[in-house]
Amino acid sequence: DAGVTQSPTHLIKTRGQQVTLRCSPISGHKSVSWYQQVLGQGPQFIFQYYEKEERGRGNFPDRFSARQFPNYSSELNVNALLLGDSALYLCASSLANLGYEQYFGPGTRLTVT
Amino acid sequence: EDQVTQSPEALRLQEGESSSLNCSYTVSGLRGLFWYRQDPGKGPEFLFTLYSAGEEKEKERLKATLTKKESFLHITAPKPEDSATYLCAVRPVGSQGNLIFGKGTKLSVKP
Repeated sequence: DAGVTQSPTHLIKTRGQQVTLRCSPISGHKSVSWYQQVLGQGPQFIFQYYEKEERGRGNFPDRFSARQFPNYSSELNVNALLLGDSALYLCASSLANLGYEQYFGPGTRLTVT
Repeated sequence: EDQVTQSPEALRLQEGESSSLNCSYTVSGLRGLFWYRQDPGKGPEFLFTLYSAGEEKEKERLKATLTKKESFLHITAPKPEDSATYLCAVRPVGSQGNLIFGKGTKLSVKP
């Protein structure tokens, strides 16, 4: 079975631009979470979606938004990009909302210049 | 505040030299502790879930244990292919399923 897939793999944007990152969960998984990982740090939680509803939000500004589609895929949007948004953005899927392991995709490397 | 601290930050071993990685956590209540392996530039790979003190899980050369305040990842007779960053994460009671990660331990195993 295919694992979590993310697109694009790499992305270079300029300050002030907007970006959309995409994630497809493992087949049968209904929950998707987004994390930001800065070099040398552990992943930091951004959002969790379950059954197309937002179930959790981390300490990130309103420039960050996300949504989940009926097929359980998800998009993460970041507006007004800052240099500090440069990071590896990870998507993780799990069977349900609580009590299940999260399986991560390969990530999208975002560079803001 | 819920937090996870991993030590050491980096560990260099000779092939076959066994050692342990530590993960200390402070949470109001624990719904699960998770170990992941991460290779450079890639997403974390799930290794283990531990739910209660005294629980142990094994996979090949890796063994994870859990107490009320910390977890250990024991690596027995490591090989160069075990070189990676090992991440520990907790899911606190009351969270919406999100994980809180430590900064990781970067393990290098030399032949």
